[in-house]
Amino acid sequence: AQRVTQPEKLLSVFKGAPVELKCNYSYSGSPELFWYVQYSRQRLQLLLRHISRESIKGFTADLNKGETSFHLKKPFAQEEDSAMYYCALDNKAAGNKLTFGGGTRVLVKP
Amino acid sequence: DAGITQSPRHKVTETGTPVTLRCHQTENHRYMYWYRQDPGHGLRLIHYSYGVKDTDKGEVSDGYSVSRSKTEDFLLTLESATSSQTSVYFCAIAPTAVNQPQHFGDGTRLSIL
Repeated sequence: AQRVTQPEKLLSVFKGAPVELKCNYSYSGSPELFWYVQYSRQRLQLLLRHISRESIKGFTADLNKGETSFHLKKPFAQEEDSAMYYCALDNKAAGNKLTFGGGTRVLVKP
Repeated sequence: DAGITQSPRHKVTETGTPVTLRCHQTENHRYMYWYRQDPGHGLRLIHYSYGVKDTDKGEVSDGYSVSRSKTEDFLLTLESATSSQTSVYFCAIAPTAVNQPQHFGDGTRLSIL
């Protein structure tokens, strides 16, 4: 069965410091991975998808199939990055169902 | 933002009462999903639909039923609400094409006393 693990429930960093959110997955096929962000009491928004290989709001994420990881990184955190972040895996073979990790709350302190 | 409207946005009800949540989309997307969001669990799929009258169970479907009689509407029903179903419920939609991301509604905060 597929599974997504985000080991950190909370990450607290100072403004300007680097931040890395860990995401590990288990999946037997070729994974399709996403990062979603949820700002306070707002809807989830797509942040990144691995096939796009793009940088959004300064965030990047690289798929490492050998380590089955898709960690999210930003070199200089900003206060507006404070939010809840979810890693998600798409089960393409079964109706595009997403499996989410438990989420990591990021708090960027001034 | 994708055209997704969830109603109601907030609801408080008592154990044992039926509850129906509505998700309405204006994007004509094929796939629609219901998730619940709970601390420490992230989002978990309840049910999903891959077309009108075509639905299937997700990871946590017990105690929930769904219906999709029109492309634009996906209803989630709690036949007899229990306190364990207190949660925030999110609807999501996705187009037909594979590898397209899901887009989420604003959520419904449901409290069952």
